[in-house]
Amino acid sequence: QSALTQPASVSGSPGQSITISCTGTTSDIGSYNYVSWYQQHPGKAPKLMIYDVSRRPSGVSNRFSGSKSGNTASLTISGLQAEDEANYYCSSYTSNSSWVFGGGTMLAVL
Amino acid sequence: QVQLVESGGGLVKPGGSLRLSCAASGFSFSDYYFTWIRQAPGKGLEWVSYILSSGSTIFYADSVKGRFTISRDNAKNSLYLQMNSLRAEDTAVYYCARVPCTRTGCSFYMDVWGKGTTVTVSS
Repeated sequence: QSALTQPASVSGSPGQSITISCTGTTSDIGSYNYVSWYQQHPGKAPKLMIYDVSRRPSGVSNRFSGSKSGNTASLTISGLQAEDEANYYCSSYTSNSSWVFGGGTMLAVL
Repeated sequence: QVQLVESGGGLVKPGGSLRLSCAASGFSFSDYYFTWIRQAPGKGLEWVSYILSSGSTIFYADSVKGRFTISRDNAKNSLYLQMNSLRAEDTAVYYCARVPCTRTGCSFYMDVWGKGTTVTVSS
């Protein structure tokens, strides 16, 4: 199972919005609404930000939103804040009863 | 407080073995599925293995199949990963993570993660 494709880095200024894309195949993103997104600060464990494409766990800011079209999922962060600077990973359940992750996107808040 | 705490990492020679543990607290361990996920130094996340609540159904990534064994002890609220025939490319931080379940079924994401334990395979 090949990794999902994410941009290596994105950046934005405080208050702006950014979108991170995550491209898979018909064996993962294209077949299931089981896309999740994780935020990871350096040296820390990943934290769930979005699940089932667009659902937010309790406690996660509504500035984070998710969507999916075909084989591509997207994470949008609006009203960028300094604490949003982190690595973001997408993930999808697959037809092989496994999970696949994206390579990660480093978000810089300039 | 819902918590997962990994242990058992360390330095091991290529070809060696190591057993990781993950102690759960703050929730009903036996009701949930669990996964092991690893992260090589400076790299992204890689799913390793997955075990259902009874322990009877298990899945592995191709990269570890035949070398790693996942198991659980619901009486001890613990998850394990037995790693044999270790290779340099197994060097990583290993996380255990919970897959949420309700009365109607289980989900397909990881909602609680441990802080990880570091495995280094080197001669």
